[in-house]
Amino acid sequence: SQQGEEDPQALSIQEGENATMNCSYKTSINNLQWYRQNSGRGLVHLILIRSNEREKHSGRLRVTLDTSKKSSSLLITASRAADTASYFCATAPNAGNMLTFGGGTRLMVKP
Amino acid sequence: EADIYQTPRYLVIGTGKKITLECSQTMGHDKMYWYQQDPGMELHLIHYSYGVNSTEKGDLSSESTVSRIRTEHFPLTLESARPSHTSQYLCASSPRTLPGQGTTNYGYTFGSGTRLTVV
Repeated sequence: SQQGEEDPQALSIQEGENATMNCSYKTSINNLQWYRQNSGRGLVHLILIRSNEREKHSGRLRVTLDTSKKSSSLLITASRAADTASYFCATAPNAGNMLTFGGGTRLMVKP
Repeated sequence: EADIYQTPRYLVIGTGKKITLECSQTMGHDKMYWYQQDPGMELHLIHYSYGVNSTEKGDLSSESTVSRIRTEHFPLTLESARPSHTSQYLCASSPRTLPGQGTTNYGYTFGSGTRLTVV
């Protein structure tokens, strides 16, 4: 069964707007990761946030983690058409354990 | 760019044929994984390996088999392809978490995938 579930399943925005995607999970985790997948391609690792961290930034990406609510959010600021992709969260219960992926959010950024 | 290679990129094959999907990585990663993903859907783990001569089945029941004779190579074989095997197959790898690095984890590096169609 899925550990992580993304919300919304699909999101359509205009270029320049911010995009926010959420991920909820069920059991305790060591870390949570976000990946991007362009259509028909493999996944690309974007960012990892550990359970003792609350927020992390990487370029236009901002990830937050609330372990009390078992949820995370990915914010993409000033979106571009090239950001159009599916975004997946993945969790690991312990360091070194395998990741469990959610169902993804399909983001479309219109030029 | 990812140093993990999957071939072929696309494959259309008839029912009953035996096929092998290739996956190779040049990063020296101990751990390797095979996922099955239908378009726009979640990833399902079908096989994984923690090192040479180590292979395990994943969460999703699969009629495929894998082998890990060399660290860099993790091929997946279907002895008799069926239309139900039509899907995208993604290979990934990650470094091993070393003792003393209990809180360290790493992201996965994925290949570009093989889109398999069985007719």
